[in-house]
Amino acid sequence: DAKTTQPTSMDCAEGRAANLPCNHSTISGNEYVYWYRQIHSQGPQYIIHGLKNNETNEMASLIITEDRKSSTLILPHATLRDTAVYYCIVRVAFNNNDMRFGAGTRLTVKP
Amino acid sequence: GAVVSQHPSWVICKSGTSVKIECRSLDFQATTMFWYRQFPKQSLMLMATSNEGSKATYEQGVEKDKFLINHASLTLSTLTVTSAHPEDSSFYICSAPTGREKLFFGSGTQLSVL
Repeated sequence: DAKTTQPTSMDCAEGRAANLPCNHSTISGNEYVYWYRQIHSQGPQYIIHGLKNNETNEMASLIITEDRKSSTLILPHATLRDTAVYYCIVRVAFNNNDMRFGAGTRLTVKP
Repeated sequence: GAVVSQHPSWVICKSGTSVKIECRSLDFQATTMFWYRQFPKQSLMLMATSNEGSKATYEQGVEKDKFLINHASLTLSTLTVTSAHPEDSSFYICSAPTGREKLFFGSGTQLSVL
């Protein structure tokens, strides 16, 4: 069963912020929220992850609600190269646990 | 950062032949690696977990005699698609956890069986 729910697709204008939501209402206390993206015919690329605090890196920001039941990935200034399928995944970080993918959100950045 | 190398990037083979795909962790040791399969316009599906020094664990519905997995060292796992048929044509992806929080993916292998 899918542990996360994401919109099937979203559009964003180039240069604007892209906000991708994810619901994970059954998340456990020891599960992290991970975001990956996949550009056509490539392996998934790591973006960011977090447990309960908001996180920011050079690629994106991750906002996790206080109850941890949902999160939002923010790409601050989307470019055409950000067009991809974005996957939100919850996973216990340690013990070499596997990672299981849902359907993801297909983000299309338009000029 | 940690890198996972997958080879080859693409392969075309005749029906009935076997194909081997390699997955290497380049700057960290991976006692576990994961193999995924992805059909066009679909998400990644976990096929099996490769364990160094022991047998692989296969997901339900995945034929272990069809998809042979060997994890001979702490940096190398291989997936062999035996007696390949056109329905085995797919995008195969490996990944390796670093033992900490991150998990990295290979670039994938596009298999086309004629």
